Order: sequence, then C-alpha cells, then structure tokens
Amino acid sequence: KQEVTQIPAALSVPEGENLVLNCSFTDSAIYNLQWFRQDPGKGLTSLLLIQSSQREQTSGRLNASLDKSSGRSTLYIAASQPGDSATYLCAVRPGGRDDKIIFGKGTRLHILP
Amino acid sequence: DGGITQSPKYLFRKEGQNVTLSCEQNLNHDAMYWYRQDPGQGLRLIYYSQIVNDFQKGDIAEGYSVSREKKESFPLTVTSAQKNPTAFYLCASSIGTSYGYTFGSGTRLTVV
Repeated sequence: KQEVTQIPAALSVPEGENLVLNCSFTDSAIYNLQWFRQDPGKGLTSLLLIQSSQREQTSGRLNASLDKSSGRSTLYIAASQPGDSATYLCAVRPGGRDDKIIFGKGTRLHILP
Repeated sequence: DGGITQSPKYLFRKEGQNVTLSCEQNLNHDAMYWYRQDPGQGLRLIYYSQIVNDFQKGDIAEGYSVSREKKESFPLTVTSAQKNPTAFYLCASSIGTSYGYTFGSGTRLTVV
C-alpha cells in the first residue's frame, strides 16, 4: 500500500533563506507527483506537477525534483518571503487502475519577517 | 475562467439533518473527488467518480452519499448517519491519469 510521508511537519525559517521541503513515498510505481499549497481555511492550490518520466519542474522561485527509484521528491523554495507561509502538501498518483492520489500530511511553513 | 466552485462556503447542520454540499466544475474534467480534512488527519477520500453515472467509495464513505448525473456536477450529501460530520470538505477534479488535480475552495461544515 502506497504511503506518503512529509518531514518535518512544521518549519520556521527567517525571510530570505532558501529552503527544502521533503516528501517520500513507499511505492515507486507512480504516474506523477503533485505539490500543493494550502492557506488556512482555503482550498489547495497546485504548485507543480512532475510526471514519472521527469526529474524536475520549475515555476518562478519553486523547483520540485523527483527521484522515483528512491521514492523521494523535494520542493525547493528560493529566497523565501512571508507570503510563502502556508501548508505544503505532496501527493502521488499511483500506477494501475486505482486512480486515487495519495496525500502526505503536509509541512506547515512559517517564514519569519 | 475555468475552475471548481464549491458552495456554500460555510454550512451549519442540526443533529439528525441531511445536508448537501455542491461541487460544480467547468473544466470538462471526467473525474471528480470528495475529500474530508480534519486537523492532524490530512485529506481522506470520501467518494470519487471517473465518469458520469458511476462512482466508487473511498476510504471513509460511511454516512455520505453522492450522485453524478452530469459531468459538471458531483454533489455530496452528508446524512444523519455520519456521526461526526464537522470538518472541511474539499472537491477536486482531474482530466486523466497523466494530469494533476484541481481543487475547489472548500466548504466548512459545522454541527450545531
């Protein structure tokens, strides 16, 4: 059974720092991996989608990498800003006929001004 | 703009009542999903539908029901059999396995 883990559960860093959020999954047979951002009381906003054949995706200050063989993905945030404070979730889309993505529990990020 | 609309944003339910949460999408996505989010629990799948007139139970379907009569709409009914319905409910859609999920802005349901 696929399991997705995000460590740490919470992280506080000073503004301007570069930071890395981690996501690990137990079964490498995935279609893709998606990173989301969630602000308190809001829905999920998609940040980056990495297909299983890709190694990384970039959008502005965000870069997500995928290493399927080791079951790991990282979300790199450059030059962090207070507006980056949110919960970041990763989700994997398993291969096969069971088309249900599986979420990690998220990393709650606080950028200190 | 294409997207997913969930309504209402806030919903209050009395004990013993059934309530229905609306989810409408204009993205022409085939698959739609309902999730429940509780503090510290992460997102849990309630029901999903990959095509019109077909849906499957997720991990926590007891006390909930859905319908998928139109491609654009996937309403969720929280029945009186759901003993602890207070939570944040999120609807999502996807066009296919190679694509990501798009989420709505959620409905917060509170039992009063």
